[in-house]
Amino acid sequence: DGGITQSPKYLFRKEGQNVTLSCEQNLNHDAMYWYRQDPGQGLRLIYYSQIVNDFQKGDIAEGYSVSREKKESFPLTVTSAQKNPTAFYLCASSPGVGPGLEQYFGPGTRLTVT
Amino acid sequence: GESVGLHLPTLSVQEGDNSIINCAYSNSASDYFIWYKQESGKGPQFIIDIRSNMDKRQGQRVTVLLNKTVKHLSLQIAATQPGDSAVYFCAENPPKSQGNLIFGKGTKLSVKP
Repeated sequence: DGGITQSPKYLFRKEGQNVTLSCEQNLNHDAMYWYRQDPGQGLRLIYYSQIVNDFQKGDIAEGYSVSREKKESFPLTVTSAQKNPTAFYLCASSPGVGPGLEQYFGPGTRLTVT
Repeated sequence: GESVGLHLPTLSVQEGDNSIINCAYSNSASDYFIWYKQESGKGPQFIIDIRSNMDKRQGQRVTVLLNKTVKHLSLQIAATQPGDSAVYFCAENPPKSQGNLIFGKGTKLSVKP
């Protein structure tokens, strides 16, 4: 099956620990994205990558880091500097950059930090 | 399930009725729009899209209408079914955004059997 996988579905961490969320796609898409979703709010862009070995900050990048060493993988690290890390995290990919290119989403990872 | 629908506008319809979900977008120069459906605990799923050079587009049981004059987008679902119950998001692609989408907050659709 082609698609985007995120693992794990649920993740629990203690405050002060870094945690890395996995995102893999086998759609051969160039662009990948990370979003954060909080109850009652729309998706907010954390980081995006248009090509391997390149990525840009989105609207809420503080406290997060990413890497794009392979086309199919775009892991997100939630660092201890992120003040409110508990949220639902969504990864997406698209064939390229520009209008008319929909984004395909993974199933999400629910992160709870206590 | 996930609480993504918490505090969202809610539309409640009877099974078999038509549903209309509305969205006001922010940038008058946006040239591409998408409607997504998100079921509880899952990622958003593409429903239908429309470019700014169109004012209507139809899919299977769904129709999207675009009114650029008032920056308004609507999603019409015909013969709504219980499986349509979800949160629906609109997204716009503003110019010079490098393909990045801006998402609305969503509307929760509840279908009563």
